[in-house]
Amino acid sequence: GENVEQHPSTLSVQEGDSAVIKCTYSDSASNYFPWYKQELGKRPQLIIDIRSNVGEKKDQRIAVTLNKTAKHFSLHITETQPEDSAVYFCAARLGTSYDKVIFGPGTSLSVIP
Amino acid sequence: NAGVTQTPKFQVLKTGQSMTLQCAQDMNHEYMSWYRQDPGMGLRLIHYSVGAGITDQGEVPNGYNVSRSTTEDFPLRLLSAAPSQTSVYFCASSYTSGGLYEQYFGPGTRLTVT
Repeated sequence: GENVEQHPSTLSVQEGDSAVIKCTYSDSASNYFPWYKQELGKRPQLIIDIRSNVGEKKDQRIAVTLNKTAKHFSLHITETQPEDSAVYFCAARLGTSYDKVIFGPGTSLSVIP
Repeated sequence: NAGVTQTPKFQVLKTGQSMTLQCAQDMNHEYMSWYRQDPGMGLRLIHYSVGAGITDQGEVPNGYNVSRSTTEDFPLRLLSAAPSQTSVYFCASSYTSGGLYEQYFGPGTRLTVT
């Protein structure tokens, strides 16, 4: 069945350092890979995404890379700030004619001032 | 636009009771989904719909029913509540157009089954 793995489960970095979260997916039909940030008690919010025909995408301090051959993708946050502390989820969307989005288990990121 | 709305925000049920979690979106999105999120875990897909009249099972469908009679509404029914269904439930709607895709989440319903 479809599966998304995510590592590490917890990550603690000093303010200003970089943070990297890695995900792998099982279904080669996956074509869209969003990343969500969830603060305590709130809904997930999309922060960046990448499509299967793109290898890398950047948005200010956030970047995502995709390796389709290896079926893995990563989130990179540079110059981390305390407000980056949250749980981050990767996900993979399967297919185009249907809408099945499978999430990884999440990474709890703590940025220490 | 209100986006994706969910009611109720909180609910306590006794084991064996049934109830319906409501979800509505006013963005005319084709796709809608239901997820559950347990403490310290990711979101697990319960059911999803690609349009009115079309639904399909996700990763954890047992104990839940859905229907999609209109584009706007996608209610989730718990047939006979069990303590294992204690969770936060998120509804989402999404669209795809010209290669673009985006998914929007509702605020969630926190359900406790005693």
